[in-house]
Amino acid sequence: QKEVEQNSGPLSVPEGAIASLNCTYSDRVSQSFFWYRQYSGKSPELIMSIYSNGDKEDGRFTAQLNKASQYVSLLIRDSQPSDSATYLCAVRSSKAAGNKLTFGGGTRVLVKP
Amino acid sequence: EPEVTQTPSHQVTQMGQEVILRCVPISNHLYFYWYRQILGQKVEFLVSFYNNEISEKSEIFDDQFSVERPDGSNFTLKIRSTKLEDSAMYFCASSEELAGVYNEQFFGPGTRLTVL
Repeated sequence: QKEVEQNSGPLSVPEGAIASLNCTYSDRVSQSFFWYRQYSGKSPELIMSIYSNGDKEDGRFTAQLNKASQYVSLLIRDSQPSDSATYLCAVRSSKAAGNKLTFGGGTRVLVKP
Repeated sequence: EPEVTQTPSHQVTQMGQEVILRCVPISNHLYFYWYRQILGQKVEFLVSFYNNEISEKSEIFDDQFSVERPDGSNFTLKIRSTKLEDSAMYFCASSEELAGVYNEQFFGPGTRLTVL
């Protein structure tokens, strides 16, 4: 069973600080990695994708990938109260002929003003 | 900005009844998906669909489930005889690329299915 693991939180962060979220995955041949944001009662919203080892920055978000350690992370800089949500890590295996995404359980982030 | 749309937003049904959930994927996308999320649980993959056939399905997607693209825009999920445990949020998603690495899936707002 291919697993994606995340700390459920909540991760409490002061406004303006950096939120650091982690995700580990078990399928060594995974190729594509995604971070989704999900507000309560809403659908997952894609915020970052990463495919190669290293860092990828997009605005206040930075995704980091280390395939050797099977680890992907998300940093949120200058956290705002509107960033309060559950952040889902999703992984696509290279063997997923149909592009199946396997999701982690999500990390709940609370940004306190 | 193009987006995936889903109808209805909320469906209430009696156990044993058939339901059809509808989705309109983003217009130039080629892959379509259904996921579900039981309250408080992970998002789970159900099925992916490409070129008018199922590409991959999960163990959840048994004979009670079917998908169809009845025309050039709609994508539907049918549950033939609903069970209490089918109560969940059902999300439709679509992606532009073929089965490659650079595959970003965009989700619709979901249909909340309640089986009584």
